Amino acid sequence: AQSVTQPDIHITVSEGASLELRCNYSYGATPYLFWYVQSPGQGLQLLLKYFSGDTLVQGIKGFEAEFKRSQSSFNLRKPSVHWSDAAEYFCAVVGYNTDKLIFGTGTRLQVFP
Amino acid sequence: DAGVTQSPTHLIKTRGQQVTLRCSPISGHKSVSWYQQVLGQGPQFIFQYYEKEERGRGNFPDRFSARQFPNYSSELNVNALLLGDSALYLCASSLAGTGNYEQYFGPGTRLTVT
Repeated sequence: AQSVTQPDIHITVSEGASLELRCNYSYGATPYLFWYVQSPGQGLQLLLKYFSGDTLVQGIKGFEAEFKRSQSSFNLRKPSVHWSDAAEYFCAVVGYNTDKLIFGTGTRLQVFP
Repeated sequence: DAGVTQSPTHLIKTRGQQVTLRCSPISGHKSVSWYQQVLGQGPQFIFQYYEKEERGRGNFPDRFSARQFPNYSSELNVNALLLGDSALYLCASSLAGTGNYEQYFGPGTRLTVT
């Protein structure tokens, strides 16, 4: 069965520091992978997606993610975090020919000045 | 262009009541999906509709039902509400429902069951 694991429930970083949020997936074929961000009380905003091709994908707000098939991972990175990046981040996978997104449990990012 | 819209924003219901939540997709999008997000967890898939046909259903009881209208808007109905149905209900739309198009989420409807 398809699944997504986000090992880190809560991460705290200082503003300006680099960030890496981990995501591991379980899926038989080549997955379609996504990272979403959710501010408190808000809906989900798509940061970036991987469908095929270049394994390093760029997204909005300066985020990037790297697909590593050998490690079944799709980690999200940002070189320098801003206070406005504080939010909940969700990794998700979708199966072939369906819109059913399977989400991880999320990582809450806290940013200290 | 307007994004995905959902109504109402907030809702308070009593156990045993019924509720209807509404969603309008982005113009041109034909697929609508519904998710339930309980506090502190990731969203859980409830339904997907594409071209007014149900394309997928998550592990939810029959108290949950949905439909999609000719204009591609959608309603989610929940009967016999339980306290555990309290959650943020999210609607997402995409162009074709095949997974390889971005899904855009609405702001959600916060349902509180007392």
